[in-house]
Amino acid sequence: KAGVTQTPRYLIKTRGQQVTLSCSPISGHRSVSWYQQTPGQGLQFLFEYFSETQRNKGNFPGRFSGRQFSNSRSEMNVSTLELGDSALYLCASSLGRRIGTDTQYFGPGTRLTVL
Amino acid sequence: LAKTTQPISMDSYEGQEVNITCSHNNIATNDYITWYQQFPSQGPRFIIQGYKTKVTNEVASLFIPADRKSSTLSLPRVSLSDTAVYYCLVGGDDKIIFGKGTRLHILP
Repeated sequence: KAGVTQTPRYLIKTRGQQVTLSCSPISGHRSVSWYQQTPGQGLQFLFEYFSETQRNKGNFPGRFSGRQFSNSRSEMNVSTLELGDSALYLCASSLGRRIGTDTQYFGPGTRLTVL
Repeated sequence: LAKTTQPISMDSYEGQEVNITCSHNNIATNDYITWYQQFPSQGPRFIIQGYKTKVTNEVASLFIPADRKSSTLSLPRVSLSDTAVYYCLVGGDDKIIFGKGTRLHILP
């Protein structure tokens, strides 16, 4: 079974631009979650999508948004990029029963650098 | 709001048992504790999950005391390939909170 794939793997943007990251979950998984990973803050939960609806949300500003398509693929968008948005963005898929207990299967991440 | 605290780093030697403790004082009744392992340039990978007492699988054990305010991941007889970052996570119906991770370095 293919794992979680994320594209692109690396991205360089400048302040003020916007960016869209893509995630393809494991076949059969209906939940997709997004995380921001930085050296200082570790792994922080951004949001979870289930059946094309945002089901859970972390404590991030509205510049961070996402969506999920009918095939469970998901995109994450960050608008008006700031230097502090430089991070590894991880996507994870799961069966979608319960965010806090489902095993999360992570992709390799997208490394975003904001200049 | 639940928060998890774990040591920033630990060193151990091959063949030793390693115990990594995570503190989660505000854990809620419905929350579970899960541990993940992350290697460089990879996403985290599930190790073990538990609610209370002791859980064991083929790679690790998880000890959770009765008050559930902490948990200990135990890795028996580690090898160099166990060098990684280990994350403790507290999760419930609508939340998932990762600790900042423990960087485990196994020495030969």
